[in-house]
Amino acid sequence: GESVGLHLPTLSVQEGDNSIINCAYSNSASDYFIWYKQESGKGPQFIIDIRSNMDKRQGQRVTVLLNKTVKHLSLQIAATQPGDSAVYFCAEKQGSQGNLIFGKGTKLSVKP
Amino acid sequence: DGGITQSPKYLFRKEGQNVTLSCEQNLNHDAMYWYRQDPGQGLRLIYYSQIVNDFQKGDIAEGYSVSREKKESFPLTVTSAQKNPTAFYLCASSRGPRPSYNEQFFGPGTRLTVL
Repeated sequence: GESVGLHLPTLSVQEGDNSIINCAYSNSASDYFIWYKQESGKGPQFIIDIRSNMDKRQGQRVTVLLNKTVKHLSLQIAATQPGDSAVYFCAEKQGSQGNLIFGKGTKLSVKP
Repeated sequence: DGGITQSPKYLFRKEGQNVTLSCEQNLNHDAMYWYRQDPGQGLRLIYYSQIVNDFQKGDIAEGYSVSREKKESFPLTVTSAQKNPTAFYLCASSRGPRPSYNEQFFGPGTRLTVL
């Protein structure tokens, strides 16, 4: 079965609020965890990654937190905008080939 | 503009016919990937190639075939042996298999419908 999953399939937030998207994983041996954004009808777009030896990494308006104790990953989006509306996937990278294993995704809807 | 292209965007085929999906990249990436996405689902890896003239099966390779004769191109053939071929197919590329090369660049996808 899948080793990457999500707590919530949909998330609705008000424009300007912060969003938190969660993800659980099961493989402690994964080297990296990555977040992708997929807009309707398009291919996924890389947002940010975090190495397994880190707890936190910040990007532009986004922060990824990694809690290895409970095997939990989250993506925080500050001041959520309508353009942030999309499906967000977490993925883990494992194995010698380094292939990605994707979760099912969380749909984020931003209300104006 | 550098990028990854897929064609066509929409494809309709009759059951029992083979169909080939195109994927081209001009990013000079070594690695290329094919994924399948079903509604409300994540991406599942079909095949991947880390170098020209070499490719490996992913998690759901049955009923699919690929070739990697050129660095820029990684076509996917959906054969009549694929039991449920209707899906959204995504091609991606990356610099290579090194652990730090995490970013995969995705094409716009091809939506295949088998009638």
